[in-house]
Amino acid sequence: KQEVTQIPAALSVPEGENLVLNCSFTDSAIYNLQWFRQDPGKGLTSLLLIQSSQREQTSGRLNASLDKSSGRSTLYIAASQPGDSATYLCAVTGTASKLTFGTGTRLQVTL
Amino acid sequence: SAVISQKPSRDICQRGTSLTIQCQVDSQVTMMFWYRQQPGQSLTLIATANQGSEATYESGFVIDKFPISRPNLTFSTLTVSNMSPEDSSIYLCSVDYLQGGNTEAFFGQGTRLTVV
Repeated sequence: KQEVTQIPAALSVPEGENLVLNCSFTDSAIYNLQWFRQDPGKGLTSLLLIQSSQREQTSGRLNASLDKSSGRSTLYIAASQPGDSATYLCAVTGTASKLTFGTGTRLQVTL
Repeated sequence: SAVISQKPSRDICQRGTSLTIQCQVDSQVTMMFWYRQQPGQSLTLIATANQGSEATYESGFVIDKFPISRPNLTFSTLTVSNMSPEDSSIYLCSVDYLQGGNTEAFFGQGTRLTVV
């Protein structure tokens, strides 16, 4: 059974800092990995999608990497802003298009 | 990308009653997914809904408690039946959308349910 873990569970940084969120998964037989953002009480916004054959994806200040063989992904956020404060979730797609979600990292960017 | 509209966005319900959540997609999709997010937890898949067939439920979820309809390729409903406070959660619908040769998951804005 796939298990997805995210470290740290919570993170507080001052504005402007670069930061890294970690995601690990136990079964490397995945089709892709997605990073999502969730604001309190809201739905999920897709940030980046990495196919299993890819190593990284970039969008603006966000960069996600994938090391499928070791079961790890990182989300790098450059020059963090207060508007980046949210919970970040990673999810892997396995068989039958089912997503398995991580436990999330709650990020707070302070002024 | 796929745009998903979910209604209601939130509701407070009495125990023992039922609530039906609607999910509308702006394009035709084969599979729609329903998730539950309990307070402070991550998302758990409830069931997969295909048009024209019975929904497929994950372990721990049953049709009598969470009946699902999928009348066409752009719409689905999830009913939370005979509610108890333990059903208080955010419920989200999701679709897989083919974009640029890749299949990406998109989510509705969620329904925040409180059972009192």
